[in-house]
Amino acid sequence: GESVGLHLPTLSVQEGDNSIINCAYSNSASDYFIWYKQESGKGPQFIIDIRSNMDKRQGQRVTVLLNKTVKHLSLQIAATQPGDSAVYFCAENNAGNMLTFGGGTRLMVKP
Amino acid sequence: DAGITQSPRYKITETGRQVTLMCHQTWSHSYMFWYRQDLGHGLRLIYYSAAADITDKGEVPDGYVVSRSKTENFPLTLESATRSQTSVYFCASSRDRVREQYFGPGTRLTVT
Repeated sequence: GESVGLHLPTLSVQEGDNSIINCAYSNSASDYFIWYKQESGKGPQFIIDIRSNMDKRQGQRVTVLLNKTVKHLSLQIAATQPGDSAVYFCAENNAGNMLTFGGGTRLMVKP
Repeated sequence: DAGITQSPRYKITETGRQVTLMCHQTWSHSYMFWYRQDLGHGLRLIYYSAAADITDKGEVPDGYVVSRSKTENFPLTLESATRSQTSVYFCASSRDRVREQYFGPGTRLTVT
């Protein structure tokens, strides 16, 4: 994910719908990816991770999909709830180096 | 189980003053990190530490100093604060460099 300047891309969904948040990562050698959730005024919170030897991983209400061919990562949230409203960003790790964080997407859940 | 804590949560200081932000973790994680978060830049790594007495520069280390005399603490000092250091600062810890990092609640620093 790249920084997107002052205005984060925003995804607005209806409560109960599924959400899909996308992330394009930069380094084809990256072998570990993480999704974080950051609520207003709080620190980033770990959601789920995936290694490059997998293309899908599921957690509670969340699924991460990895497409290495096009360097794309997505986070799917099932039955989105108001408490899911936050900024979501991905992070990538390249062969043991430091994590590189994307700029984030703001998810807004409409009641 | 406190996890990772930061203090103070909010700080206003004047240009030229020295400021120290504190970070404490209770997990005995080897790695600790300091990031700053600004609009338009996302999270940028300032310094990190692999263990007590081992620290390394990150992406934006200028104007900052760190120390790690104990595994659980990783203070960040701004030796002479500048307005460009107004930001939200996050501390994080991890079992190792390639695993997920756990973040503290952040310190909002304003330099006037």
